Amino acid sequence: SQELEQSPQSLIVQEGKNLTINCTSSKTLYGLYWYKQKYGEGLIFLMMLQKGGEEKSHEKITAKLDEKKQQSSLHITASQPSHAGIYLCGADKVGAGSYQLTFGKGTKLSVIP
Amino acid sequence: DAGITQSPRHKVTETGTPVTLRCHQTENHRYMYWYRQDPGHGLRLIHYSYGVKDTDKGEVSDGYSVSRSKTEDFLLTLESATSSQTSVYFCATGASGSRYEQFFGPGTRLTVL
Repeated sequence: SQELEQSPQSLIVQEGKNLTINCTSSKTLYGLYWYKQKYGEGLIFLMMLQKGGEEKSHEKITAKLDEKKQQSSLHITASQPSHAGIYLCGADKVGAGSYQLTFGKGTKLSVIP
Repeated sequence: DAGITQSPRHKVTETGTPVTLRCHQTENHRYMYWYRQDPGHGLRLIHYSYGVKDTDKGEVSDGYSVSRSKTEDFLLTLESATSSQTSVYFCATGASGSRYEQFFGPGTRLTVL
């Protein structure tokens, strides 16, 4: 089965600093999705990547899917307290129907003012 | 945001009792999912539905059953709750043709004593 490994598991940064979160798949990625979860709440979709080398940005968050399509990175520029939360990557579950996703275990981000 | 509500939001129950969690959506999305989220395990799929009365098992379905008699409602039942089912349960929906984005409810925190 496909596994998604996220690193680091947790991250504490000073406000204004840049940071990167990685998501590595055990199999080729056909679709990679980034979600954010605020503490105690449900997940919110951030962006989706499909093509190797694709890069997308949403406000100060940029995500990229590498050429070999087995790793994605999420980069936050000039972090703010509003960026704090848990970031999860999800991927199409290969061979499954009904739009099933497999998720990584998440990266917990804390931003210190 | 998709209108997804979950009830109850918090529940404490005893081992051996049946428990039913409800997910209600107002977006007419075809796909509905039940996940559980646990420290160290991340988000795992329990059951999903691809239409009214059409359901299938996910990764961790043992001890759970689901029903979907209407598009808007997806019920998750723990037939006989065990302490290992203490978790945060999330419902999610997905629209046809939009496999990339799932909309999540606020979650239900279930404690089985």
